[in-house]
Amino acid sequence: DTAVSQTPKYLVTQMGNDKSIKCEQNLGHDTMYWYKQDSKKFLKIMFSYNNKELIINETVPNRFSPKSPDKAHLNLHINSLELGDSAVYFCASSSQGGNSPLHFGNGTRLTVT
Amino acid sequence: QQPVQSPQAVILREGEDAVINCSSSKALYSVHWYRQKHGEAPVFLMILLKGGEQKGHDKISASFNEKKQQSSLYLTASQLSYSGTYFCGTRTSGGSYIPTFGRGTSLIVHP
Repeated sequence: DTAVSQTPKYLVTQMGNDKSIKCEQNLGHDTMYWYKQDSKKFLKIMFSYNNKELIINETVPNRFSPKSPDKAHLNLHINSLELGDSAVYFCASSSQGGNSPLHFGNGTRLTVT
Repeated sequence: QQPVQSPQAVILREGEDAVINCSSSKALYSVHWYRQKHGEAPVFLMILLKGGEQKGHDKISASFNEKKQQSSLYLTASQLSYSGTYFCGTRTSGGSYIPTFGRGTSLIVHP
């Protein structure tokens, strides 16, 4: 039983395209996150969302947008992809509040050519 | 504010000990520790919530020095399975509930 699952695992696409990455958690958590991990392994928060509040890292371009159809899902949509968007994107979830462990999905490796 | 981890990399032989430090320029509210193996997702190790708190399981433990605004992760009698990149994630007093991660410490354990 996968706790946090992301699809697809690999995504190769051309510059200018629009793509989505899906994330689902079955842990009953009410907070979900998207992190970007670059080639130097830096884990950077992009978004955090619970049923009340969306927190956006101000450095994230507005080409990136999270969409949450319900508490168990937080999808990431990316418009007009650029070469610099190539990275591994991790979805995570936790119980409300920052004192709970983050449970990460297995990541989506995005390559923009 | 991103915490600073040191050292950037550690190379050990099985059975040796290591310490990884995580420092913040702001007062810390809590510290998370995670391990990420190559090609995998980060996996939670422990959270420290109070100054002076120490936690551990197996031979991996951590301390939280609120006054020094830092946490340390101790790996004792390292095993091959300890290899990976260790990240600390910090929440600062007055900051958001989202942990901000350091740049990671790469740990390689050789037989």
